[in-house]
Amino acid sequence: TQLLEQSPQFLSIQEGENLTVYCNSSSVFSSLQWYRQEPGEGPVLLVTVVTGGEVKKLKRLTFQFGDARKDSSLHITAAQPGDTGLYLCAGGGGSTLGRLYFGRGTQLTVWP
Amino acid sequence: DAGVIQSPRHEVTEMGQEVTLRCKPISGHDYLFWYRQTMMRGLELLIYFNNNVPIDDSGMPEDRFSAKMPNASFSTLKIQPSEPRDSAVYFCASSQASGRGYTFGSGTRLTVV
Repeated sequence: TQLLEQSPQFLSIQEGENLTVYCNSSSVFSSLQWYRQEPGEGPVLLVTVVTGGEVKKLKRLTFQFGDARKDSSLHITAAQPGDTGLYLCAGGGGSTLGRLYFGRGTQLTVWP
Repeated sequence: DAGVIQSPRHEVTEMGQEVTLRCKPISGHDYLFWYRQTMMRGLELLIYFNNNVPIDDSGMPEDRFSAKMPNASFSTLKIQPSEPRDSAVYFCASSQASGRGYTFGSGTRLTVV
């Protein structure tokens, strides 16, 4: 059973398009993180959000933490081929005793 | 900082052989995690340590898997005997504190034939 559900599982788009991926849970998390993983490498942390309703921007990427701290979204504006990768969300903090719970990820492919 | 260092990067072994994966976490990070990643199951937490002490090993599949952290700068994950279904990418990650972001190593791709 996955504590965090990500959707869509796969996304294939053309360069320049906008997209949103989602991360949902029935559990409340103290913090939620987004990672990007490229082939042959480990996931790399993009952002951490800790406050319900919080919005963070990283260039063309916008991350939002839901008001109830159960869900999050990642929006990419004008996607580029370099955005291609597996995007993973992970929830933790509070009573999770140091561990993060990862979703299965969204595999994004951006075609030139 | 060199980041989390894992070795080897690739390992091909025959069924029944012992496999040892190694990890050097980032200095000063109190948490160390071992994950396994497959297409079917995604990232699975196998075991994690806090200050070298195992906290949760409920993700270790069977008694064939064991992990140690003899000191703050080194950990091993051992599979004995290995089976084809153990084929996966194994990641080590470390974290400075509870709830903080993880730094992952580049992983070890294990193939058991």
